[in-house]
Amino acid sequence: KNEVEQSPQNLTAQEGEFITINCSYSVGISALHWLQQHPGGGIVSLFMLSSGKKKHGRLIATINIQEKHSSLHITASHPRDSAVYICAVRRGSNYKLTFGKGTLLTVNP
Amino acid sequence: GAGVSQSPRYKVAKRGQDVALRCDPISGHVSLFWYQQALGQGPEFLTYFQNEAQLDKSGLPSDRFFAERPEGSVSTLKIQRTQQEDSAVYLCASTAANTDTQYFGPGTRLTVL
Repeated sequence: KNEVEQSPQNLTAQEGEFITINCSYSVGISALHWLQQHPGGGIVSLFMLSSGKKKHGRLIATINIQEKHSSLHITASHPRDSAVYICAVRRGSNYKLTFGKGTLLTVNP
Repeated sequence: GAGVSQSPRYKVAKRGQDVALRCDPISGHVSLFWYQQALGQGPEFLTYFQNEAQLDKSGLPSDRFFAERPEGSVSTLKIQRTQQEDSAVYLCASTAANTDTQYFGPGTRLTVL
């Protein structure tokens, strides 16, 4: 079993829909990252969480440490949100990240 | 430049060839990471530098893989005697001191024929 599991693997939505991507992990962590990867490579860091909730524009990330679960929400989705969303965890003071396989989001106009 | 750059962006190698992949981190960034991303998978950790010191190389898949960062800035990932299973995107990321946010380069897509 991978240390970091994401669901769903693929998600197709219509423009304007509310999107939820889930991440579960099986180890103790010091931080969880959500990243966005567009076709062609480029990975951008969206959030880093160690507790609670963070919001940036239409993106919201939450984490429940006790349940070892995090969610990434996108409100009022737009075709430009189409990308792979990756969850990654950091254990302890080590900077090494362990990544999930990613969720491919396609938002249709 | 403003971001992390990697070169070449694409590399095609014949099986058995040696390749060298370059990463230019953001100026002043202390930490540098190399990751390997197979098609349809998330990135996997290869190695980590703090300045010129390679503090963790536990993710390097074999002794054919070697990374260096001799002056604490530019880093090179070298793969000797490439094999088909080495085909992947190789990502580099850097972070400033005492921060967690990793800034990723665009990656080098390596195809071994």
